[in-house]
Amino acid sequence: NAGVTQTPKFQVLKTGQSMTLQCAQDMNHNSMYWYRQDPGMGLRLIYYSASEGTTDKGEVPNGYNVSRLNKREFSLRLESAAPSQTSVYFCASNLIETQYFGPGTRLLVL
Amino acid sequence: QKEVEQNSGPLSVPEGAIASLNCTYSDRGSQSFFWYRQYSGKSPELIMFIYSNGDKEDGRFTAQLNKASQYVSLLIRDSQPSDSATYLCAVISSNTGNQFYFGTGTSLTVIP
Repeated sequence: NAGVTQTPKFQVLKTGQSMTLQCAQDMNHNSMYWYRQDPGMGLRLIYYSASEGTTDKGEVPNGYNVSRLNKREFSLRLESAAPSQTSVYFCASNLIETQYFGPGTRLLVL
Repeated sequence: QKEVEQNSGPLSVPEGAIASLNCTYSDRGSQSFFWYRQYSGKSPELIMFIYSNGDKEDGRFTAQLNKASQYVSLLIRDSQPSDSATYLCAVISSNTGNQFYFGTGTSLTVIP
C-alpha cells in the first residue's frame, strides 16, 4: 500500500515549457487535490476533484489544468511554465475528511 | 482576510515544556478543523482533527476548539526535540464543500 505517489520528485523547466505532474493513490479515495506551497504562503489549493469525472478550481488555478484520469489518478499540467510557478507541489487524497499527502514535486522554472 | 490565520513564529520551547499553537478562522460556518505537522522538506501529516467545541486529547497532543471565538489551538505536552516542525492548521469551510483551507503554519523548535 503505497498511499499517494507523485512523479517526478524534482523538475527544472525553462520559461514557456510544458509538463505534467502525475499523482496516483491506492486507497480508493474519491477526492483528490493539488496544492502548491510557497514560503510564507502556506498550502494553496490549485484544483480538486471530488469524484471521478469532476474537477473544480481552487484558490490559485490560473496557469494550470487538471485531468482526473480515473479514480486513482489526478494529473496537473502546466501548459506554459512561468517563473512564478516555481514551487513545491503536493497531491493529496481523502475519503471523508482526512487528507493524505504525497511526497511532493519540487519545480524550478528558470 | 485570509480564511485561516496562524502566528508564523518561530516558537521556541524547552524540552519537557508545553507548546501552545494557535489558529483563528474567518468562516463561522466551518465544521471541521485539523492540525498537520510538516517536517522540513517533507509532506504534511495529520496529527488530529476536531469537530466539536471543547478539548480532544490524543497522547501528548490536545486540540481545543472554540467556535464562538472562531479559535482552535493545539497543545503539545512534554515537548520533545522530535516535535520540532511546522504545524499547519486547516479548516473545511461550510460553503465550499470539499475545499480545505490551510494557515501558513507555525514553526516550532524544541530546545534540548
